[in-house]
Amino acid sequence: DAGITQSPRHKVTETGTPVTLRCHQTENHRYMYWYRQDPGHGLRLIHYSYGVKDTDKGEVSDGYSVSRSKTEDFLLTLESATSSQTSVYFCAISESGAGGAGDYGYTFGSGTRLTVV
Amino acid sequence: GEDVEQSLFLSVREGDSSVINCTYTDSSSTYLYWYKQEPGAGLQLLTYIFSNMDMKQDQRLTVLLNKKDKHLSLRIADTQTGDSAIYFCAETFTSGTYKYIFGTGTRLKVLA
Repeated sequence: DAGITQSPRHKVTETGTPVTLRCHQTENHRYMYWYRQDPGHGLRLIHYSYGVKDTDKGEVSDGYSVSRSKTEDFLLTLESATSSQTSVYFCAISESGAGGAGDYGYTFGSGTRLTVV
Repeated sequence: GEDVEQSLFLSVREGDSSVINCTYTDSSSTYLYWYKQEPGAGLQLLTYIFSNMDMKQDQRLTVLLNKKDKHLSLRIADTQTGDSAIYFCAETFTSGTYKYIFGTGTRLKVLA
C-alpha cells in the first residue's frame, strides 16, 4: 500500500505480554486510525489521532493505548495481551477528518495479524 | 443509533452484473463509501458518494443512494473473477466524531 506500512505483518505472543504495533506513513496526513477486523464484526475503531500528541478513543479501546509523537508514526500498544485481542489490525490514514471537507476516504495499510496464545 | 448492515455472501457468474446492498440507520451521514478487500490485504477505496447525490458512475461501478430508504448499492457490470473479494460499505457524519462506520462486509464470489 503506497505511503503506509504496518509492522510487523504477523505476530504470535503470549497472554499477559505487552505488544506494540507500528504504523508508518509517508503521506504527511493529519489523521491516523487503528481498526481491528474480526469475523462478523467488520471493522471496529480502536483509537484515532488527529495530530501529533492528539488522540482519542474509538468504540473498542479497552486494553489498548496509542501514541503519536511524530506525524508519520502511530503506535498501538496492547498493555497485557489477551486471547480476545487475537485479530487482524489495520492502520488507516486520511488527509481530512471523516465527514469534513475533502473527505476522500481512507488509505489502509496491509494489516498485522496478531495471535495471542 | 449508528448501524450499517450488509448481506454476508453473493455469488454471480462471470460476465453478469453484481449488486451489493447496504442499509444504514443514521440519516445524518455525509459521505458513503465502498471499499474492496482482497485476501490478505487492507481495504482499498473503490468509490464514494456524497449524501446529496442519487447516483455516481465510475467505469464498471455504479453507486445508487436512496436516502429515503437509507439504502446504498454498488453495481459491478461485467463482473470478472478478479472482482472476487469482500466489499464493505461505510458512512461518515458531520457530527465531528472523525470516524467511519463500516458494514460487516459482503463476500462476492465470481464463478467462471
